[in-house]
Formats: sequence, C-alpha cells, structure tokens
Amino acid sequence: KQEVTQIPAALSVPEGENLVLNCSFTDSAIYNLQWFRQDPGKGLTSLLLIQSSQREQTSGRLNASLDKSSGRSTLYIAASQPGDSATYLCAVRKETSGSRLTFGEGTQLTVNP
Amino acid sequence: NAGVTQTPKFQVLKTGQSMTLQCAQDMNHNSMYWYRQDPGMGLRLIYYSASEGTTDKGEVPNGYNVSRLNKREFSLRLESAAPSQTSVYFCASSTSGGAWRQYFGPGTRLTVT
Repeated sequence: KQEVTQIPAALSVPEGENLVLNCSFTDSAIYNLQWFRQDPGKGLTSLLLIQSSQREQTSGRLNASLDKSSGRSTLYIAASQPGDSATYLCAVRKETSGSRLTFGEGTQLTVNP
Repeated sequence: NAGVTQTPKFQVLKTGQSMTLQCAQDMNHNSMYWYRQDPGMGLRLIYYSASEGTTDKGEVPNGYNVSRLNKREFSLRLESAAPSQTSVYFCASSTSGGAWRQYFGPGTRLTVT
C-alpha cells in the first residue's frame, strides 16, 4: 500500500527566507506527483504536477523536484512571503490506480513578516 | 468558469439523519471524486467516478453512497449519519488521460451530533 509522508508537519520562517518542504512515498511505481496548497477553510489548489519521467517543474518562485527511485519530492519556495502561509500537500498517482491520488498529511507553513 | 462547486458549505446533522452533498463541475471533465479530510488522517478517497455511468469505491466507502447524475454532477449521500462522519468533504474532478490533474471544490464542513 502506498504511503506518503511529509516532513516537517509545521514550519515557521521569517519573510524572505528560502525554504524546502519534503515529501516521501513508499512505492516508487508512480505515474505523477502533485503539490497542492490549502488555505484555512478552503479547498485545494494545484501548484505543480511532475510526471514520473520528469525531474522538476517550476512555476514562479516555486520549484518541485522528483527523485522517483528514492521515493522523494521536494517543494522549494524562494524568497518566501506572508502570503505563502498555508498548508502544502503532496499527492501521488500510482501507475496502477487509474486517476486516484494518495495524499500526505501536509506541511503547515507560516511566513512571519 | 466556476470550476468545481459544492453545496452546502456547512451542515449540522443529528445521528441517524440523512443528507446528500452536491457537487458540480463545468470543466467537461470525465472523472469526479469525493474525499474526506480529517485531522491526523489527511485526505482519503471515499468514492470516485471514472466516467459518466460508472462509480467505484475508494479507501473509506462504508456509510456512503454516490450517484453520477450526469457528466457534470456527482452527489454523495449519507443514509444514516454517525458522529464518525464528522469531517470536511471535498469533491474534485479531472480529465481522463494525460496528466489527470485534479481540481477541487471549496468543501462542505459536516458535523454530526
């Protein structure tokens, strides 16, 4: 059974700092991996999606990498801002599970002004 | 483009009552999903529908039923609510094939007393 773990569970940083969020998964047979953002009381917003054949994806200040063989992904946020404060979740789609996703529990990020 | 919409936003039920959560998407997606999100458990898949006319169980289907009314709408029914079903429920949709990127609704916060 695929398990997805995110460390740390919570992170507090000062504004302007570069930071890395980690995601690990137990079964390397994945089709792709998505990073989501969730604001308090809101739904999930897809940030980046990395296909299993890709090493990284970038969008603005966000960069996500994927090392499928070691079962790891990182989300790098450059020059963090208070508006980046949210919970960040990663989710993997297994090759054999159709379109179903398995989620990690998320990292709650607070960026202090 | 409203994306994925859910009704109601909040609901309080007494144990044993029934209710239906509604979900609709206007992105012409084939696949739709129902998740629940609980502290310490992350997001777990309840049911999904790969295409109109098909539904399949996810990780935690007990106590729920679903109906894929048409391509746009996918409803979740609780026949006899229990306190263990207190949760935040999210509906999502995705294309079939390609990246299978999932798009989420804003959620329904359900409390069963």
